[in-house]
Amino acid sequence: AQKITQTQPGMFVQEKEAVTLDCTYDTSDPSYGLFWYKQPSSGEMIFLIYQGSYDQQNATEGRYSLNFQKARKSANLVISASQLGDSAMYFCAMREGGSSGSARQLTFGSGTQLTVLP
Amino acid sequence: KAGVTQTPRYLIKTRGQQVTLSCSPISGHRSVSWYQQTPGQGLQFLFEYFSETQRNKGNFPGRFSGRQFSNSRSEMNVSTLELGDSALYLCASSLGRPATNEKLFFGSGTQLSVL
Repeated sequence: AQKITQTQPGMFVQEKEAVTLDCTYDTSDPSYGLFWYKQPSSGEMIFLIYQGSYDQQNATEGRYSLNFQKARKSANLVISASQLGDSAMYFCAMREGGSSGSARQLTFGSGTQLTVLP
Repeated sequence: KAGVTQTPRYLIKTRGQQVTLSCSPISGHRSVSWYQQTPGQGLQFLFEYFSETQRNKGNFPGRFSGRQFSNSRSEMNVSTLELGDSALYLCASSLGRPATNEKLFFGSGTQLSVL
């Protein structure tokens, strides 16, 4: 089964508008971390935001916020006031705590290609 | 502070050859992870090292191997290259041992083409 599901292969948004990128995850581990990364055409993956499974509040980092709904196993990324430079591939990822004292690897979803229109 | 450095940036090899990719983590970072990225399979995890020990391993054949040195630098090797090994290989480093809140910082990758 897929651990991370991103159902939107591509999204378009008008400049200065907000956009939500969907992410659902599957785990039975009570301890896990959720991450969002951005990959521009240059190829480098850029860390955007992190949410821990025990965090009570939704994470925010500047124009990025994470809408964390634990019961629904959903961790959607919200980008406010989109900019042309936000056009990129966006990946949701999860890291489970595991039981060996060392967390499991970071597992990525298939990504969402966001295009910001002028 | 310098970021994660991967060399070489581009590589062209032929089937049956072997290749070694190098990764220098951010100064002070002790964990290094490797990922393979292809249009068809997306991002797939290869291995993760911390303090020269492999902590996690992905589902790849034994032709893929890696190691980490005492200065935290890492190399990965692919032997007997196949056409399907053509991919962007990404290296990432993180500060400490694998943990659920450890952020990974990625390099720009090595684009490997197998002809």
